[in-house]
Amino acid sequence: EAQVTQNPRYLITVTGKKLTVTCSQNMNHEYMSWYRQDPGLGLRQIYYSMNVEVTDKGDVPEGYKVSRKEKRNFPLILESPSPNQTSLYFCASSPLFDFDTQYFGPGTRLTVL
Amino acid sequence: DAKTTQPPSMDCAEGRAANLPCNHSTISGNEYVYWYRQIHSQGPQYIIHGLKNNETNEMASLIITEDRKSSTLILPHATLRDTAVYYCIVRADYEISSGSARQLTFGSGTQLTVLP
Repeated sequence: EAQVTQNPRYLITVTGKKLTVTCSQNMNHEYMSWYRQDPGLGLRQIYYSMNVEVTDKGDVPEGYKVSRKEKRNFPLILESPSPNQTSLYFCASSPLFDFDTQYFGPGTRLTVL
Repeated sequence: DAKTTQPPSMDCAEGRAANLPCNHSTISGNEYVYWYRQIHSQGPQYIIHGLKNNETNEMASLIITEDRKSSTLILPHATLRDTAVYYCIVRADYEISSGSARQLTFGSGTQLTVLP
């Protein structure tokens, strides 16, 4: 089954404790992206990657890092989480030249105390 | 990408057509109109997209005005499972060689509630 998986689905952590949210897709997609969703603000892109070792900032990259060492994986790293990073996070992927078939993961609800 | 404007909420009776409007008055010639929806905290789901002509698929129809400044997503026979937030997104088909982001910019969307 074609899918994007994220782990963990729920996470409660404390300020400053480094964490990683994993994202994996099994569709051999070149393009992967991370979004955060906050009430009243809709979905905002954090980082995206157009292929292995190619990443770039989205609209709200501050406080986040990403890496793309393998095509299928695109982890989101919070080196020193802060309470303003409490949010619902989505990973997405698509073929590079078929953007309309963008698949989203189930979401990770992160709470930073 | 052009900015879009959608009503914050709409209701629709089950079995009736749901017509969701979107204004994108600053759209340029190479920008597509995309519709996604998000059912309560799940990942967004692609519905349909178009450039100039009206489009139809198994989920919905997309009607784009001749001047392309607005569009309407039509769910022909709404069901309770269609209750969701619907996002209208306008994006340009960037040249890959330019290094520009092929990103979707989601606004606040329209909360569609299908009533029994």
